[in-house]
Amino acid sequence: KAGVTQTPRYLIKTRGQQVTLSCSPISGHRSVSWYQQTPGQGLQFLFEYFSETQRNKGNFPGRFSGRQFSNSRSEMNVSTLELGDSALYLCASSDLRVNTEAFFGQGTRLTVV
Amino acid sequence: GENVEQHPSTLSVQEGDSAVIKCTYSDSASNYFPWYKQELGKGPQLIIDIRSNVGEKKDQRIAVTLNKTAKHFSLHITETQPEDSAVYFCAASITGFKTIFGAGTRLFVKA
Repeated sequence: KAGVTQTPRYLIKTRGQQVTLSCSPISGHRSVSWYQQTPGQGLQFLFEYFSETQRNKGNFPGRFSGRQFSNSRSEMNVSTLELGDSALYLCASSDLRVNTEAFFGQGTRLTVV
Repeated sequence: GENVEQHPSTLSVQEGDSAVIKCTYSDSASNYFPWYKQELGKGPQLIIDIRSNVGEKKDQRIAVTLNKTAKHFSLHITETQPEDSAVYFCAASITGFKTIFGAGTRLFVKA
């Protein structure tokens, strides 16, 4: 069974630009969560999608948004990028019918210059 | 709001010694407590978890304890090996809802 796939792995953007990150969950998993990881802040929860609906949202500004498609693939978008948005963005999928274990992808390293 | 505090932020032990990482959660409704290990260049990976109806769980050299009254849970690694060196995250969640992570502990195991 393939794991969680995130694309791209690395991204460099300029302040003010926008970016879209993609996450393909494990086949059959309908829950997808996004996290921002920075050296000093650990894993900060962004949002969680289940069956194309955003169920939970963290404390991030409206510049951070996401969506989930009918095949459970998810995208997150950050508009008007700031230097502080530089981080590793991790996606995790879960099969909530079985348990709540989250399987993480390798992440997308975003650098804003 | 919900919060998970994790200590220490950095831990250095000699190979063969034990390592203990402690976490405290704020939401008393939390009922699921996973621990993740993150190696360099990889996403976090679940290593052990415990549910609120259990006080202790062990898997080979790894054990987790939970004190619901005090809202504390801990990870214990015995007979540490260099390959245990990584960043460890504790987390707390309510089944089916968002998971809150601790800030992480960077463990160094010196050979």
